Amino acid sequence: DADVTQTPRNRITKTGKRIMLECSQTKGHDRMYWYRQDPGLGLRLIYYSFDVKDINKGEISDGYSVSRQAQAKFSLSLESAIPNQTALYFCATSDLTSNNEQFFGPGTRLTVL
Amino acid sequence: GNSVTQMEGPVTLSEEAFLTINCTYTATGYPSLFWYVQYPGEGLQLLLKATKADDKGSNKGFEATYRKETTSFHLEKGSVQVSDSAVYFCALSDHLGAGGTSYGKLTFGQGTILTVHP
Repeated sequence: DADVTQTPRNRITKTGKRIMLECSQTKGHDRMYWYRQDPGLGLRLIYYSFDVKDINKGEISDGYSVSRQAQAKFSLSLESAIPNQTALYFCATSDLTSNNEQFFGPGTRLTVL
Repeated sequence: GNSVTQMEGPVTLSEEAFLTINCTYTATGYPSLFWYVQYPGEGLQLLLKATKADDKGSNKGFEATYRKETTSFHLEKGSVQVSDSAVYFCALSDHLGAGGTSYGKLTFGQGTILTVHP
């Protein structure tokens, strides 16, 4: 079984809809991250969390919110999706023992029409 | 703030050719440096890393040396294979000084698409 899983893997939605992307991990890591990937821009950090009670904004948090329901679960929500949020979204995990190495999920491809 | 700049792609090579993908960075403190690889349809996976100046990371025939004087971490491979076709990302993570906390946030370059033909 994969250590970091994301659901759904693909989603097509319409402008104005609320969308939730989910991430689960079995690595036992405390730290979890959400990134979006756009062609030519690499990965940009949306939100990150160091434990269940800790949530921090990344460089592009506007239009997004997150929830850390448990150590193993970290969800990303788009309250009202817009077309420029069409992207590939990745969840990642790490902890102090991983020396800043992050472990990535397979990604969710989101299309907003 | 921190930033990473990679050579623009895409890069197209024939099998067994030599590969270099340039990466330079700007950072405060003493970052760790990483190369991640993304194969088609998959998430990113760590290829190699270096945590201090002059360290050389290596894996699967790829190498990169942490050069603090030139703020670079260029990726090299002596003989590429078709299976090396992927997107390669250079990244750095922040480190604070003694007594500080590394938050482990990664800053990525824009990625370089590598295609290797038989």
